[in-house]
Amino acid sequence: GAGVSQSPSNKVTEKGKDVELRCDPISGHTALYWYRQSLGQGLEFLIYFQGNSAPDKSGLPSDRFSAERTGGSVSTLTIQRTQQEDSAVYLCASSTWTGSSYGYTFGSGTRLTVV
Amino acid sequence: DQQVKQNSPSLSVQEGRISILNCDYTNSMFDYFLWYKKYPAEGPTFLISISSIKDKNEDGRFTVFLNKSAKHLSLHIVPSQPGDSAVYFCAASEKNTGFQKLVFGTGTRLLVSP
Repeated sequence: GAGVSQSPSNKVTEKGKDVELRCDPISGHTALYWYRQSLGQGLEFLIYFQGNSAPDKSGLPSDRFSAERTGGSVSTLTIQRTQQEDSAVYLCASSTWTGSSYGYTFGSGTRLTVV
Repeated sequence: DQQVKQNSPSLSVQEGRISILNCDYTNSMFDYFLWYKKYPAEGPTFLISISSIKDKNEDGRFTVFLNKSAKHLSLHIVPSQPGDSAVYFCAASEKNTGFQKLVFGTGTRLLVSP
């Protein structure tokens, strides 16, 4: 597609439920990233994919968080047993090498509210 | 440990004047720096970048200055326009991560009034 697409745009869930957030990157972008922005905070790195593998998962806050990417394209971020502190905007970005740098393109994000 | 810091949460400027947004970093391994702009309900969009081998990069009304010895960079917008009102994030990365994992600051909200 023309841009990075994320769904849903908004999600309200009850504490303890599982949620899945989806990211559809720009076609041909091999790198995919998940970040989150909590209220009043900067963008916090969660995980990075190169193709279908995740060389860096260091930002995942706990084992309740997991992500996968299939076919080198769509990625799903899953949060199990959601907690109120998981409330944030979850942003996905994809990138490709421009010849001098990696050009990041972000999606509009999924606003997750845990009540 | 906040490796990239934007100490001013907000900045107000009149249209036509200069906006100066500041960013400090602590990791001396950072060698590439970027500024992103974010409107409400949208993802951040890339604005301008600078490599550590340079001390200035200019693109139209936007100029980024890098002072490596002070571990400080700044974004200058001249002249400022109401459409520039947004949250600006500074970001940094280090080459030896093997990919461009960006570390972001907390953002500065710029308001440009007519």
